Amino acid sequence: TQLLEQSPQFLSIQEGENLTVYCNSSSVFSSLQWYRQEPGEGPVLLVTVVTGGEVKKLKRLTFQFGDARKDSSLHITAAQPGDTGLYLCAGARGSSNTGKLIFGQGTTLQVKP
Amino acid sequence: SAVISQKPSRDICQRGTSLTIQCQVDSQVTMMFWYRQQPGQSLTLIATANQGSEATYESGFVIDKFPISRPNLTFSTLTVSNMSPEDSSIYLCSVTRGTTGNTIYFGEGSWLTVV
Repeated sequence: TQLLEQSPQFLSIQEGENLTVYCNSSSVFSSLQWYRQEPGEGPVLLVTVVTGGEVKKLKRLTFQFGDARKDSSLHITAAQPGDTGLYLCAGARGSSNTGKLIFGQGTTLQVKP
Repeated sequence: SAVISQKPSRDICQRGTSLTIQCQVDSQVTMMFWYRQQPGQSLTLIATANQGSEATYESGFVIDKFPISRPNLTFSTLTVSNMSPEDSSIYLCSVTRGTTGNTIYFGEGSWLTVV
């Protein structure tokens, strides 16, 4: 069974601080996606990483896919209150892109002004 | 990206009743997926809906409880049957996009509360 362990599950920080969220597995994923979800809404895709070692940047957010494609991290620089939300990592299962995802438990981030 | 519309967005349902959730996509897609997100938890895949064939259910989910229709390449429905309070969840429709099909987009979700 493929599992994704996401940590930390809860994070409360002050505006301007940096943070990193981790997503780890013992299994290889063909791709990994990061989503942000606000209460009462569906997850919004932030990024998809496909290649081992890949690094993608989205403004203050930096995403990295591990060399072995078993883990990923999301780093936020100088967090803002608007970054508050639930962050989810999700791995695509199997060797082909079937569209089936395994989700991590999620990280609830609160950024206080 | 993909535009995915779900109806209803929210509903309060009586125990023992059934509710059908609709998912409309702005363009044709081969596969559509239904996920459940219980309060305070992450997402779990219920089933994969392919046009022209029966849906494929994940472990722990059965067709009698969650019948799915996929009449064409832009539309799908999920019915939550004989609801109990444990079925109170957000139900999410998703599709794949991208040249390799490895980008997955979600609808806004349908938030069901069973009383």
